[in-house]
Amino acid sequence: QKEVEQNSGPLSVPEGAIASLNCTYSDRVSQSFFWYRQYSGKSPELIMSIYSNGDKEDGRFTAQLNKASQYVSLLIRDSQPSDSATYLCAVPNNAGNMLTFGGGTRLMVKP
Amino acid sequence: DGGITQSPKYLFRKEGQNVTLSCEQNLNHDAMYWYRQDPGQGLRLIYYSQIVNDFQKGDIAEGYSVSREKKESFPLTVTSAQKNPTAFYLCASSIISGSADTQYFGPGTRLTVL
Repeated sequence: QKEVEQNSGPLSVPEGAIASLNCTYSDRVSQSFFWYRQYSGKSPELIMSIYSNGDKEDGRFTAQLNKASQYVSLLIRDSQPSDSATYLCAVPNNAGNMLTFGGGTRLMVKP
Repeated sequence: DGGITQSPKYLFRKEGQNVTLSCEQNLNHDAMYWYRQDPGQGLRLIYYSQIVNDFQKGDIAEGYSVSREKKESFPLTVTSAQKNPTAFYLCASSIISGSADTQYFGPGTRLTVL
């Protein structure tokens, strides 16, 4: 059974700071990882996917993957109050046709 | 507009009733999924389907049923056998590429048992 673990938070950061969200997974063969953002009462929306070790940057978002440590993180630079949401990490199975989601980390960005 | 639609947005059920949640997509995606989300929790997979007339159980299929008669549609029935159905239900779809497939979500249906 693949397990995906996230700190539930809330993680509170001041506006303009860097928010760091972490996710660990138990399956050593996972090849790709997804980060979704979910606003309260809304459905998840995809922020980033990452397939290779190292960093992947998209605007204010950077995903970092370390397969040896089974660890993936999401950094949000220059955090804004509009970034306040729950961030879900998702890991696919070997066939790529199912996702296992972590419980999510709630981020609060304070003005 | 391409996308995934779910209806109704809110649904109230009396105990002992079966209810059906609708999910439609016009993205020409092959695969469709149903998840359940409880307050403060992540998503748990109920059922998924990769092809018309075929579907597979997820982690929490008991008390639920699905059908996939058309590629665009994947309705979920919450039966009276589901003892704690109050939750947020999310439908998703994806292409099937042979590698990790990105899933896109509909807006969700919030089900409450009265």
